[in-house]
Order: sequence, then C-alpha cells, then structure tokens
Amino acid sequence: DAGITQSPRHKVTETGTPVTLRCHQTENHRYMYWYRQDPGHGLRLIHYSYGVKDTDKGEVSDGYSVSRSKTEDFLLTLESATSSQTSVYFCAISSGTGTEKLFFGSGTQLSVL
Amino acid sequence: GENVEQHPSTLSVQEGDSAVIKCTYSDSASNYFPWYKQELGKRPQLIIDIRSNVGEKKDQRIAVTLNKTAKHFSLHITETQPEDSAVYFCAASSGEAGNMLTFGGGTRLMVKP
Repeated sequence: DAGITQSPRHKVTETGTPVTLRCHQTENHRYMYWYRQDPGHGLRLIHYSYGVKDTDKGEVSDGYSVSRSKTEDFLLTLESATSSQTSVYFCAISSGTGTEKLFFGSGTQLSVL
Repeated sequence: GENVEQHPSTLSVQEGDSAVIKCTYSDSASNYFPWYKQELGKRPQLIIDIRSNVGEKKDQRIAVTLNKTAKHFSLHITETQPEDSAVYFCAASSGEAGNMLTFGGGTRLMVKP
C-alpha cells in the first residue's frame, strides 16, 4: 500500500485494557499523524510527529499517547481504553512539508466493549 | 484553534449535474486548503488542494475556489458520474507552523444514474 501500513486492521478489546496501534512507513517522511474518524466529526487529529522523538498534541489527545523511536514507526497507545475511543483510526504521512499531500493508511477499526 | 464548518452534510444529484460543497474556516492565518474523497470502506484520498495566494484551481471536472476575505472555500464537481459518489472532506491548515490539518465534518455525495 504505497509505503504506509497500519496494524492491526481490526481489534476488539475490553474497557480498561491497554491498546497499541502501529503505523509503519517506508517513505522516510518526516511528518506522521494519527487521526480518528467518527460519524459527523470528520477526521480529528490525535497526535502528530515531526521527527524521531518529536511529537505534539492534536485536538483530541486526551487518553492517548504516542511514540516515535524510528523514522518509519509511529505508535499510538490507549493506556486504558474506554468505549468513547471506539472509532476508526487512520495514520497519515506527508509527502510535502507539514500537512501538505497527506497520504492515509488503510485504517484500524477499534471496538472497545 | 481552527474550526472548519462544511455544508451540506448530504447532497444528492442526478448524473451529469453539478455539485457544490462549501466550507468556512475561522483562522485567518490558515493558508492551505485541501479536499479529500473517501469511498465507502476506503482511506481518504487527496483530490485537489489550493493555497491562499490562489483564488481558483481546476483539475478536469473538479475545481476549488477560495475567498480569503470571507474565509470560505468551495469544491465544484461538474458533469457528475456515479463514481463520484463518496464522502468529501474539506480541511484547513492550522497550528503555528501549519503543522496540523483541521477537517470539516464531511459531505456524503450521492450521484443517481
């Protein structure tokens, strides 16, 4: 998939359990993003990274943490999953500078029961 | 922070007609405005983008117009075809360094044959 893969594609988990989603790119792009998609809300930015160990919060960062120890990997962690975090999660990379030309991964459908 | 409003939320047109989707943004410092198309069950994909120093941009049957004074921009699709049926998202760059994209809530376009 053109240089970006997300894993897992689907996950069902229970409230209170930790969950980690992985985004892997082969494009060596500097910027990586995590979005969540919910009906009526479009895509909302959770966290983004502008380099190894360089991350910042987006508009809906509460309850989420991220890590980027290598250029190619950007991890999203839900420390203690809640039902409100049931969503589709998209990772994206930028082929331009910053937010330009975002290319999205295939998404992860997460269900928290 | 940036706030992007998108209208309408659903739009139904007859094949061959034109479709117009409108967005307004709040941050006068935003300078990059992309549009994404998401087919059912797929990832969002960039279809066209415009910078604030340009008033209009066209690519075959799609065009985007920008009115910086009024802080609104629009997507125009002419001669619609059934394969144009999808959810369309507008977005505006935000953040001090333009490192974040804020998306509108999306428009579901249905093109009836």
